[in-house]
Amino acid sequence: AQKITQTQPGMFVQEKEAVTLDCTYDTSDPSYGLFWYKQPSSGEMIFLIYQGSYDQQNATEGRYSLNFQKARKSANLVISASQLGDSAMYFCAMREGGSNYKLTFGKGTLLTVNP
Amino acid sequence: ETGVTQSPTHLIKTRGQQVTLRCSSQSGHNTVSWYQQALGQGPQFIFQYYREEENGRGNFPPRFSGLQFPNYSSELNVNALELDDSALYLCASSLAQVAGWTEAFFGQGTRLTVV
Repeated sequence: AQKITQTQPGMFVQEKEAVTLDCTYDTSDPSYGLFWYKQPSSGEMIFLIYQGSYDQQNATEGRYSLNFQKARKSANLVISASQLGDSAMYFCAMREGGSNYKLTFGKGTLLTVNP
Repeated sequence: ETGVTQSPTHLIKTRGQQVTLRCSSQSGHNTVSWYQQALGQGPQFIFQYYREEENGRGNFPPRFSGLQFPNYSSELNVNALELDDSALYLCASSLAQVAGWTEAFFGQGTRLTVV
């Protein structure tokens, strides 16, 4: 079974509007972390936001917020006030508890922001 | 910019050859991980090095090997290159602490083409 599922291959949003990118995950480990990364066409993975499994509140970082619903095993990324520079691939990733820092990534969502 | 640098940025090799990719970790980070990202896919974990020893490996054959040096820089070596090894190779560094790891920061990647 896939550990990280991103069901939206592509999304379109108008500039200045909000957009939600979906991510569901599967793990039996009670200790895990969820991450969102942005990958522009240049290739670098840019860290956006992190949510720990024991965190009581949803994470926020500027225009990014993570809608964490633990019972539903979802960790959706919300981008408010979209900008043209937000156009990129977005990856959801999970790190499960353990002795190493292995990240498991989803297949990504290509976001296009239209003017 | 994250401070994680990879070289070279692009590389073309012939099937059967060997290749070495290099990564300079962000200052202060003691853990480095390598990922392979095929076109249209999310990154796949290859392995991780902590204090110069491999402490985690993904589903990759032994012809993928690595090194971490005392200054925490790292190399990824791939022997007997195959066409399917064509991908973007990403290096990520993080800091292992008593309370856990900091978030991973990625380099810009090395795009390897095997012909």
